[in-house]
Amino acid sequence: TQLLEQSPQFLSIQEGENLTVYCNSSSVFSSLQWYRQEPGEGPVLLVTVVTGGEVKKLKRLTFQFGDARKDSSLHITAAQPGDTGLYLCAGSYNNNDMRFGAGTRLTVKP
Amino acid sequence: DAGVTQSPTHLIKTRGQHVTLRCSPISGHKSVSWYQQVLGQGPQFIFQYYEKEERGRGNFPDRFSARQFPNYSSELNVNALLLGDSALYLCASSLGVRVETQYFGPGTRLLVL
Repeated sequence: TQLLEQSPQFLSIQEGENLTVYCNSSSVFSSLQWYRQEPGEGPVLLVTVVTGGEVKKLKRLTFQFGDARKDSSLHITAAQPGDTGLYLCAGSYNNNDMRFGAGTRLTVKP
Repeated sequence: DAGVTQSPTHLIKTRGQHVTLRCSPISGHKSVSWYQQVLGQGPQFIFQYYEKEERGRGNFPDRFSARQFPNYSSELNVNALLLGDSALYLCASSLGVRVETQYFGPGTRLLVL
């Protein structure tokens, strides 16, 4: 059972478009992480957000943590085919228990 | 520097058998966590080991067990395999007990027939 709801589940866009994916929960997290996973590989950590309302930017990716620390969004500007992958959010309730969402599978067509 | 390594990369077993999966963390990392990722789902937390002690356990049956060795490598054991155990098993390592910054290995893909 996924305690983190990610939307949309699938997203297919053209190169150059912008997109936003969402991660929502009814629980409060001590921190929240975004990962990208490609087929046959393990997830790769993109960012960790800790403070409610925090915004972090990583090149064309912008991550926001909700004020109440229950939700987060990932915005990609001018998507490129190399952005294609499974985007996973994960929340930590304590030091050693991390829960993942089911992911958003993004396809960026050239 | 080598990242997290896992072996084997792929494995095929039959129902009722047992399996042992292995993980070597990044050098200097003392914590290893195990996750199960079923097709179409996100990873599900199974265990965390830190300094050779179990520090966390997810909602998995007792057929699943793990241990961590003095060199911080780890094994995940699954007994009496079921078809539903077919999944990608991921290992992640972190410096300390906190898992906010953890690094995943490529996983072991297990198929149970």
